[in-house]
Amino acid sequence: DIQMTQSPSSLSASVGDRVTITCRASQSISSYLNWYQQKPGKAPKLLIYAASSLQSGVPSRFSGSGSGTDFTLTISSLQPEDFATYYCQQSYSSPPMYTFGQGTKLEIK
Amino acid sequence: QVQLQESGPGLVKPSETLSLTCSVSGGSIRSYYWSWIRQPPGKGLEWIGYIYYSGSTNYNPSLKSRVTISVDTSKNQLSLRLSSVTAADTAVYYCAQATYSYGPNWYFDLWGRGTLVTVSS
Repeated sequence: DIQMTQSPSSLSASVGDRVTITCRASQSISSYLNWYQQKPGKAPKLLIYAASSLQSGVPSRFSGSGSGTDFTLTISSLQPEDFATYYCQQSYSSPPMYTFGQGTKLEIK
Repeated sequence: QVQLQESGPGLVKPSETLSLTCSVSGGSIRSYYWSWIRQPPGKGLEWIGYIYYSGSTNYNPSLKSRVTISVDTSKNQLSLRLSSVTAADTAVYYCAQATYSYGPNWYFDLWGRGTLVTVSS
């Protein structure tokens, strides 16, 4: 199985900060990497697909990059509504076995 | 606008079978693939499996022996059955629309609100 490891597990930041979250795969997954945001008591929301494609309706302050084993999600200027938990998810495995990272909790400093 | 709504018992006894339904409204279930994903309280996300309206399925190997996902196109619904449940199966269960981009890279771009299922006697 492909393991996904996110770092850090938690992060404190202030409104206006630039924040980067990292996701590392246990083997190369090309660009088959997606990012989600989850707020307490809510379902996850897709932010980025295929490593760097911004989902429709998602603010442009969110961006993704990377390929192979190392990926990043960047929020260019944190807004109050961005404090949430972020998950990466790979879809490279065949037969299908879609795995998520353990999550990164972004908190207000 | 497509919406998903999970429903089913909130409490299931150990060793019994968990059964959930996801109703798709505002669109046809024939248009996409559909997945079940779960999240134990305070923990991360686990993909359970997916189905196409034709009935073609793929399951998480770690759950495959206990999982059945089915679709009822006449009702625009998909269902999840998980047998021989234990406390470890306590989780919020989500249904989600699965879409793919070039590759194919599969992602989940529409989610239901989720339903909490507790396994306890």
